[in-house]
Amino acid sequence: QVQLVESGGGLVKPGGSLRLSCAASGFTFSDYYMGWIRQAPGKGLEWVSFIPSHTNTIYNADSVRGRFTISRDNARNSLYLQMNSLRAEDTAVYYCARDRGDSTISFDYWGQGILVTVSS
Amino acid sequence: SYELTQPPSVSVSPGQTASITCSGDKLGDEFTCWYQQKPGQSPVLVIFQDNKRPSGIPERFSGSNSGDTATLTISGTQAMDEADYYCQVWDSNAAYVIFGGGTKLTVL
Repeated sequence: QVQLVESGGGLVKPGGSLRLSCAASGFTFSDYYMGWIRQAPGKGLEWVSFIPSHTNTIYNADSVRGRFTISRDNARNSLYLQMNSLRAEDTAVYYCARDRGDSTISFDYWGQGILVTVSS
Repeated sequence: SYELTQPPSVSVSPGQTASITCSGDKLGDEFTCWYQQKPGQSPVLVIFQDNKRPSGIPERFSGSNSGDTATLTISGTQAMDEADYYCQVWDSNAAYVIFGGGTKLTVL
């Protein structure tokens, strides 16, 4: 069965960095677009970034462009999110999610989420 | 930037039909999907490509999309359907994924 497991979250000071990882299993990881979506405490879902299966093109939300970088290692079945220059407003649960793969971008499997807290 | 507007809350009696709307400029020109999120859980895709159900999603969930409004309809609503629901589109022109603000469905 499809599994997505995030790791790497925690408490970080404003201006600091953190790298999230997502370990994928149960499907051919290299065939699918993957994305990160976040949810601030008590708030709605906010798309962060996604990456196609094989190209170098990445897509980022305006709120994180220039600070966050998504990447993937198809050999390790892993997705990453390098987060730099973190701000208090980046505090959220971060979800790793798989795109269905029909070019309309919808996420059919989600991880359990990992909490990132940015605070001094 | 493109925005999707959802009502903050919708209430429905058990067994009745719940309709949750999602509005955006010419939304009918884009494929819309819907997610269900229960407290403390990850979102679950319930509708994709406007009106298709993923495997395992009950038939009481259906979707439509035309003009400026997409609608998620839950027929014969059950207590287990109480959750937050989010619409989402892929704006291919802007290369942007957009979520609606979410609707809290209360079954009472």
